[in-house]
Amino acid sequence: DAGVIQSPRHEVTEMGQEVTLRCKPISGHNSLFWYRQTMMRGLELLIYFNNNVPIDDSGMPEDRFSAKMPNASFSTLKIQPSEPRDSAVYFCASSLGHAWLFFGEGSRLTVL
Amino acid sequence: TQLLEQSPQFLSIQEGENLTVYCNSSSVFSSLQWYRQEPGEGPVLLVTVVTGGEVKKLKRLTFQFGDARKDSSLHITAAQPGDTGLYLCAGDSGNTPLVFGKGTRLSVIA
Repeated sequence: DAGVIQSPRHEVTEMGQEVTLRCKPISGHNSLFWYRQTMMRGLELLIYFNNNVPIDDSGMPEDRFSAKMPNASFSTLKIQPSEPRDSAVYFCASSLGHAWLFFGEGSRLTVL
Repeated sequence: TQLLEQSPQFLSIQEGENLTVYCNSSSVFSSLQWYRQEPGEGPVLLVTVVTGGEVKKLKRLTFQFGDARKDSSLHITAAQPGDTGLYLCAGDSGNTPLVFGKGTRLSVIA
């Protein structure tokens, strides 16, 4: 079975540009999570959805970040405009409930 | 805010040595999970411990959940280069998403 699929794997962009990260969760999972990982701060939860509904977005750094889940098989995380401090690896994870997370391989974002 | 402190942050050892890494919190968790993350990959679940005092073994890895369900340890016997990676603990409080520690970065040198 396919795991959590994220795209792109790598993104290099210039400050001010819009970035869109995509995630396809495991079929049948009803919870989806977006995390950001840096050396300094570790793995930070940005937002999570349950049955396609955003439940908690308190981890979203600021208004430049937005996330959507239009259906059970697709989610996006958008940063507009991007800044160098947004450089990190962004992970999408899915689960049935929220106890055991399956992570994607991550999207490494570099903002110049 | 629930926090999980992991120690040590970094550990570099020779192949064949034993090691223990720790995950501590002032909060009680209904369960605690350990993940391993290899470079360029996402974290992968190793084990979940649920009962206070529980010990689980996964080949050369031994996981223990503290009696008070606030802390956990991971012991690796005879470490191998394939054990290299970032070990993350994550606490489950039941109704909120997992809380992750910052991890212990292990390097096993052949």
